[in-house]
Amino acid sequence: GEDVEQSLFLSVREGDSSVINCTYTDSSSTYLYWYKQEPGAGLQLLTYIFSNMDMKQDQRLTVLLNKKDKHLSLRIADTQTGDSAIYFCAESFNQAGTALIFGKGTTLSVSS
Amino acid sequence: NAGVTQTPKFQVLKTGQSMTLQCAQDMNHNSMYWYRQDPGMGLRLIYYSASEGTTDKGEVPNGYNVSRLNKREFSLRLESAAPSQTSVYFCASSEAGRENYGYTFGSGTRLTVV
Repeated sequence: GEDVEQSLFLSVREGDSSVINCTYTDSSSTYLYWYKQEPGAGLQLLTYIFSNMDMKQDQRLTVLLNKKDKHLSLRIADTQTGDSAIYFCAESFNQAGTALIFGKGTTLSVSS
Repeated sequence: NAGVTQTPKFQVLKTGQSMTLQCAQDMNHNSMYWYRQDPGMGLRLIYYSASEGTTDKGEVPNGYNVSRLNKREFSLRLESAAPSQTSVYFCASSEAGRENYGYTFGSGTRLTVV
């Protein structure tokens, strides 16, 4: 079945770039997503990429998609302490693309 | 504020007790979802409802039932709670045909089964 894999932890210094990686299995996903979860809260959509794109940039965020290797990455430039959170990669679970399957999440810790 | 509302926020149950987790959204979304979040396991899909009147199983449906009461409400029922169902439960909704907008999540229900 579908599976989404992420590394569990990443620690960076404030001002550095962070790169969070994800691999997925369902090549038919139309969209791939990155969500952010702050402590005690639900998930919030951070950004997404359409499956026919290789790259998407949104302010400090850059998403790279390698469809051949089924690899997705999220780069956060100039990482701030407020970026400390859990980041989840997600792909479609069902054919309609309405239900998502999430990775286990990468905990990003930013030190000053 | 518009969004997804979950009740209750916290609950402690004894093994074997039953309860229903409530979820309502006021964004006129077609699709609604129930996930559970466990440490080191990420979010796992329990059930989803692509539209009013339909429900489908997700990754981990055993021990749960759902009801899509109307377009706004999607409830999750535990008929006989077990300690393995101790978790944080999230409800979410999305608009069909606008998958690029992603999900809107509720703030979660923290359930402990003793």
